[in-house]
Amino acid sequence: QVQLEESGGGVVQPGRSLRLSCAASGFTFSNYAVHWVRQAPGKGLEWVAFISYDGSNKYYADSVKGRFTISRDNSKNTLYLQMNSLRAEDTAVYYCARGLSTYDAFDIWGQGTMVTVSS
Amino acid sequence: QSVLTQPPSASGTPGQRVTISCSGSSSNIGSNYVYWYQQLPGTAPKLLIYRNNERPSGVPDRFSGSKSGTSASLAISGLRSEDEADYFCAAWDDSLNDSWVFGGGTKLTVL
Repeated sequence: QVQLEESGGGVVQPGRSLRLSCAASGFTFSNYAVHWVRQAPGKGLEWVAFISYDGSNKYYADSVKGRFTISRDNSKNTLYLQMNSLRAEDTAVYYCARGLSTYDAFDIWGQGTMVTVSS
Repeated sequence: QSVLTQPPSASGTPGQRVTISCSGSSSNIGSNYVYWYQQLPGTAPKLLIYRNNERPSGVPDRFSGSKSGTSASLAISGLRSEDEADYFCAAWDDSLNDSWVFGGGTKLTVL
């Protein structure tokens, strides 16, 4: 069964850091690009970051550029999102999502992990 | 404010056909594929339509997508109560800041 499972969310103070993980199973992780997408409470979806199948290409939304870093470990079938200098506006459910192809949008989504930035 | 524009709400009765619009610009919908997602309450989004009008396996043919110029539409025929959900459109935007962009979402109510 094709599956993505996020972990690492929680409550963190503004300015602090957090690292999210996304474990993939049921497919050849190293063949696919993957993304992080977030959804603030009661709001719509916002794309956060993309990483190519081999980690050689990365793209970020302007809202997180310079603060967040996407990475992957294909030997562990795991995607990461290192989030630094967190702000209240980063509060959201964070989803990892597989790219249908390198140039396509997201076909498989995890269940999400909640990040709350609050003092 | 979302880059792609969707109506905040839509409604229909069981068996009816409803359409949800998604308006963009030449840098996103006008030059790239459109994707549609369904999000049931408390769950992750699910891919409904990819590359404007393709359905993943398992998605009923009651759902269809179309695109014309800088706008796209999702049509749902034979409306069912279980279709009550939020629907989002998405597209790649190759303007100054390459990024994936979403519509703000449309809440579909089945009356």
